[in-house]
Amino acid sequence: NAGVTQTPKFRILKIGQSMTLQCTQDMNHNYMYWYRQDPGMGLKLIYYSVGAGITDKGEVPNGYNVSRSTTEDFPLRLELAAPSQTSVYFCASRWEGAKNIQYFGAGTRLSVL
Amino acid sequence: KQEVTQIPAALSVPEGENLVLNCSFTDSAIYNLQWFRQDPGKGLTSLLLIQSSQREQTSGRLNASLDKSSGRSTLYIAASQPGDSATYLCVLFGNEKLTFGTGTRLTIIP
Repeated sequence: NAGVTQTPKFRILKIGQSMTLQCTQDMNHNYMYWYRQDPGMGLKLIYYSVGAGITDKGEVPNGYNVSRSTTEDFPLRLELAAPSQTSVYFCASRWEGAKNIQYFGAGTRLSVL
Repeated sequence: KQEVTQIPAALSVPEGENLVLNCSFTDSAIYNLQWFRQDPGKGLTSLLLIQSSQREQTSGRLNASLDKSSGRSTLYIAASQPGDSATYLCVLFGNEKLTFGTGTRLTIIP
């Protein structure tokens, strides 16, 4: 198993550009999450999904969109990039149930200039 | 709203020492608590998971405890090694979501 795979690893965007951060997991997990981590701060939940076709907002959803058309993929879309979206983005997945740990991708470092 | 605090924010200790990292939380209605480590520029690696009904978990040199009544968890690291240098995150799972602490940056001095 590759686990949770995120692409790209790094990206620089200009203000107003759009992009999609890709996240794929091969563990057949039903729960998937997107977090952002700002320097010196904890991770904050952007969006999450409890299964294909179901998505919900987290703490900081503004400026982002997600979709979950398959169990494996959970892309995060930035429509109009802003400097405030400069951050490291982590995708994670887990199987439902309190016993199951969450697996994280290696992260995407995004700079908006 | 769940709030998770980790103190200290940074800690440096000589190699070989035993150490304790602290985590406190405000809402005891949790399903589980996890300790993760994060290496610079890398993702998060799960170290230990404690179920809500459990008091502690052990893995190798690591021991994590959970006291829901006082809203505290500790991560004990025995015989610290330079490879233990990383940021350690306390993470609570409840209501289908994780709440992250801000972490303790640990440096083990050879």
